[in-house]
Amino acid sequence: RKEVEQDPGPFNVPEGATVAFNCTYSNSASQSFFWYRQDCRKEPKLLMSVYSSGNEDGRFTAQLNRASQYISLLIRDSKLSDSATYLCAVTYNQAGTALIFGKGTTLSVSS
Amino acid sequence: DARVTQTPRHKVTEMGQEVTMRCQPILGHNTVFWYRQTMMQGLELLAYFRNRAPLDDSGMPKDRFSAEMPDATLATLKIQPSEPRDSAVYFCASGPVGYGYTFGSGTRLTVV
Repeated sequence: RKEVEQDPGPFNVPEGATVAFNCTYSNSASQSFFWYRQDCRKEPKLLMSVYSSGNEDGRFTAQLNRASQYISLLIRDSKLSDSATYLCAVTYNQAGTALIFGKGTTLSVSS
Repeated sequence: DARVTQTPRHKVTEMGQEVTMRCQPILGHNTVFWYRQTMMQGLELLAYFRNRAPLDDSGMPKDRFSAEMPDATLATLKIQPSEPRDSAVYFCASGPVGYGYTFGSGTRLTVV
């Protein structure tokens, strides 16, 4: 099974800061890419899909670099409520069905 | 909002006992997954189904784990016999292919 790697952090930032996470994947045939957010003792929740052209949802921007095989997540104007673990997920099979996850990057936003 | 329902939420059992975890996927979702999460390993894919057919269970220890989907509204993950190293949170997730998946709240299993 192919690997997905993330810097575990923690990233400790003040409110209002901009923070970026990267995630590298090893399977060049991967087709779909996602960012999930997981709060302590909760289930992962889909934050956003990552498209080849990049995509933005409010303060969150996700980008894909196929040549270097990484995806990124940028959070602008960080809020206290952004404190969580951010997991990247990548499909590993040609059917594009099964997701494998990185171990997550922990973000702590302080006032 | 539609949700994936998992039962039980918590399970404490003694080593050697059988454990069965259940999942009700979101109606209409044809792909169902079982993941296990631990601090050390993160989220590991155990098995998944499409249209109730098992597609890949290579992540699962075959000698003690089994996963089934007897009908479209129920997926089960069974451990027999359980061992302390099986202690983890087990998540079920469902979705249509390619759109990201919705996770249940998980079953927190402790084997003593």
